[in-house]
Amino acid sequence: RKEVEQDPGPFNVPEGATVAFNCTYSNSASQSFFWYRQDCRKEPKLLMSVYSSGNEDGRFTAQLNRASQYISLLIRDSKLSDSATYLCVLGGSYIPTFGRGTSLIVHP
Amino acid sequence: GAVVSQHPSWVICKSGTSVKIECRSLDFQATTMFWYRQFPKQSLMLMATSNEGSKATYEQGVEKDKFLINHASLTLSTLTVTSAHPEDSSFYICSPLPGTSNNSPLHFGNGTRLTVT
Repeated sequence: RKEVEQDPGPFNVPEGATVAFNCTYSNSASQSFFWYRQDCRKEPKLLMSVYSSGNEDGRFTAQLNRASQYISLLIRDSKLSDSATYLCVLGGSYIPTFGRGTSLIVHP
Repeated sequence: GAVVSQHPSWVICKSGTSVKIECRSLDFQATTMFWYRQFPKQSLMLMATSNEGSKATYEQGVEKDKFLINHASLTLSTLTVTSAHPEDSSFYICSPLPGTSNNSPLHFGNGTRLTVT
């Protein structure tokens, strides 16, 4: 089993839709979790950290389920500008672990 | 957050030539730098970990004599792709080890898109 698994998508949704991504991980010792956004031909940029109690930043909500070993990202009221690849990243050890990313395409 | 400057942003070179990529930490001291490579539609793959003042640690399958890493100071790490071939064409990204703790988020250089013709 891969350390971090993400559905590569693409998720193709209309503007205004709500979309959710999951990311499962195998290392139960993982301590920190992040969602990054990567645009085509650009470096990943931090979208938000994921806290145990769940956290929200505007239209974005991140949650962590340690028992089932997954994190999720919910995007409400999707915008065209949300089109990108969303990477989950696990920290807490010396070398971070990346998912391969989930592609989101928001269309008019 | 940490500011990381990576140069060049893109480079096109002929097969057989060498290309040097620089990664500078502008507002902090990076004792460790991760170098990643990303092929289209794939995840970031760790190539090597460089440590200031010592030899880099390479991941399995990455040729240390082909991808030369130098981390001579706390603010500069370089990756040189020697005798580049078309299959080395990729997106190379550096990322310093988070300074405060392993639980801090990563920051990345802006990446270098290498095209070898």
